[in-house]
Amino acid sequence: QKEVEQNSGPLSVPEGAIASLNCTYSDRGSQSFFWYRQYSGKSPELIMFIYSNGDKEDGRFTAQLNKASQYVSLLIRDSQPSDSATYLCAARGSNYKLTFGKGTLLTVNP
Amino acid sequence: SQTIHQWPATLVQPVGSPLSLECTVEGTSNPNLYWYRQAAGRGLQLLFYSVGIGQISSEVPQNLSASRPQDRQFILSSKKLLLSDSGFYLCAWSVRTSSYEQYFGPGTRLTVT
Repeated sequence: QKEVEQNSGPLSVPEGAIASLNCTYSDRGSQSFFWYRQYSGKSPELIMFIYSNGDKEDGRFTAQLNKASQYVSLLIRDSQPSDSATYLCAARGSNYKLTFGKGTLLTVNP
Repeated sequence: SQTIHQWPATLVQPVGSPLSLECTVEGTSNPNLYWYRQAAGRGLQLLFYSVGIGQISSEVPQNLSASRPQDRQFILSSKKLLLSDSGFYLCAWSVRTSSYEQYFGPGTRLTVT
């Protein structure tokens, strides 16, 4: 069974620090990886996706992919209290279905 | 730009009652459509997906069903709700590109009493 694992947290960081969120996946055939942000009571919002080994940067966010280690991470630079949310990692296999992790709760303290 | 709508936003239904949740997408054609459920403390569970009108694939056997009567309309139904059907129901659409990233609607919070 395909699985995506995340530390449930909570991960607590001070304002202005770098928040590092991690994710591992079991399906070596996974082709694309996604990070979603979900505020309490709201639907998930796509932050970014990555499908090549290495880093992908978008503003304060950097996604990192290491297919050999089956590991995906999301770095949030200059964390703000508004970044406090649950972050969901997802992997897509050879089809168009995503497998989601259960999410990591991030708290940014002012 | 693309927009996805879901209604109702919240719903309280008694056990044994029927259910109909609707999702529509604007600004795109022939999208893939998905229904997920998120129960308290659990991850997103894919319930159904559709690659075209009338084409429905079920991921989890249960008392729910889905239909796609139009290209950009996706409906989730049940004839008789169970307590275990409570949760946050999310509709999503995806582009038909190599990444197939998915975009979620605002969701429907269903409480079965």
